[in-house]
Amino acid sequence: DGGITQSPKYLFRKEGQNVTLSCEQNLNHDAMYWYRQDPGQGLRLIYYSQIVNDFQKGDIAEGYSVSREKKESFPLTVTSAQKNPTAFYLCASIARTGTVNYGYTFGSGTRLTVV
Amino acid sequence: AQSVTQLGSHVSVSEGALVLLRCNYSSSVPPYLFWYVQYPNQGLQLLLKYTTGATLVKGINGFEAEFKKSETSFHLTKPSAHMSDAAEYFCAVNLSGGYQKVTFGIGTKLQVIP
Repeated sequence: DGGITQSPKYLFRKEGQNVTLSCEQNLNHDAMYWYRQDPGQGLRLIYYSQIVNDFQKGDIAEGYSVSREKKESFPLTVTSAQKNPTAFYLCASIARTGTVNYGYTFGSGTRLTVV
Repeated sequence: AQSVTQLGSHVSVSEGALVLLRCNYSSSVPPYLFWYVQYPNQGLQLLLKYTTGATLVKGINGFEAEFKKSETSFHLTKPSAHMSDAAEYFCAVNLSGGYQKVTFGIGTKLQVIP
């Protein structure tokens, strides 16, 4: 079945450490997104990519980096510059069909905790 | 600019009672509107969407929503709550589709009381 795979499901980061969250999709979707979810704040956009080798900052990009070397993959690196990284991270994608937005497909998320 | 307001961060209903989750949006152009559901420690799943056409939209699990332009609302309803409906629900808006970023509300946690 097609979908988005996020790994790992749980991740622990030590102070000053960079960690990378994986997001892989086999839906042949063009656009991919990273969101951060905190209790009571909804989802906030970190980065998004509409095409391979191109990506744009979202609302809270500071302390994060991404790459889009393949259509299927959009990894997110949480750097040591992100001072409050404990959160639930969600990857999403969307197919391009004219200008109609059929809604995101989401992965099952990665819960990152600073220890 | 676009924004979404969900009224009530927590809603409790009895099993079998009407579910009503409120969402109001702000948009300067015709919006695309969505409702998503999230179960604990999982991603979001699309419940239903409004793009164009019929203003009453039916989704999965017996949910429906009505787009009311005059009220700038897109409230989610279900006639009879089931225990399995307990989850968090997010309203979202996207301006005219495409790749433009989607703005999410803060979410409403639905509790279903037996």
